Amino acid sequence: DQQVKQNSPSLSVQEGRISILNCDYTNSMFDYFLWYKKYPAEGPTFLISISSIKDKNEDGRFTVFLNKSAKHLSLHIVPSQPGDSAVYFCAASHKYNNNDMRFGAGTRLTVKP
Amino acid sequence: DAMVIQNPRYQVTQFGKPVTLSCSQTLNHNVMYWYQQKSSQAPKLLFHYYDKDFNNEADTPDNFQSRRPNTSFCFLDIRSPGLGDAAMYLCATSRGRSSNEKLFFGSGTQLSVL
Repeated sequence: DQQVKQNSPSLSVQEGRISILNCDYTNSMFDYFLWYKKYPAEGPTFLISISSIKDKNEDGRFTVFLNKSAKHLSLHIVPSQPGDSAVYFCAASHKYNNNDMRFGAGTRLTVKP
Repeated sequence: DAMVIQNPRYQVTQFGKPVTLSCSQTLNHNVMYWYQQKSSQAPKLLFHYYDKDFNNEADTPDNFQSRRPNTSFCFLDIRSPGLGDAAMYLCATSRGRSSNEKLFFGSGTQLSVL
């Protein structure tokens, strides 16, 4: 059961433009959402998160938006840089069971110079 | 630097031959997790330890076992690997089990089964 879905396996963006990565979830008990970034030959690293009580969280060039009614979140990167090229995983944490954190399949972002 | 270390980076085993993957952490985190990730798929949780308390996911095959002899180390044992067990295995840690905890991942072990 794919409770967290990233429907775009890949995204290509020009340097300096905005990158928008999308994520949908099905379980209304998820109350905390995270984005992880993964470079080749490395493990995923935490990027940014958002609680279900908020609809936006910003950290430098990275902003995550949460639309609870649509069960949708997105990660915006502005401006995109070539070093942002990586696989981005969306993850959702269960309100009563953090150990049920679910991941999406990832979106490979390529930022072209 | 505090980190999560997985060894080896690449592991090749034969069909049916037991294999052990290792993970160590210097973060002194209470929780350690093992995830399986197959190509282009989402990481899938196999089990986790909260301190010494082992928690198995309902759909994790019996072929997969784990040991945590102390806070720092955790092992994944695959008793009789099949071709379908070829995957990236990721170890992760977290301080606790609150829903707002973030995970710290190792670099993973890529397992091949011949």
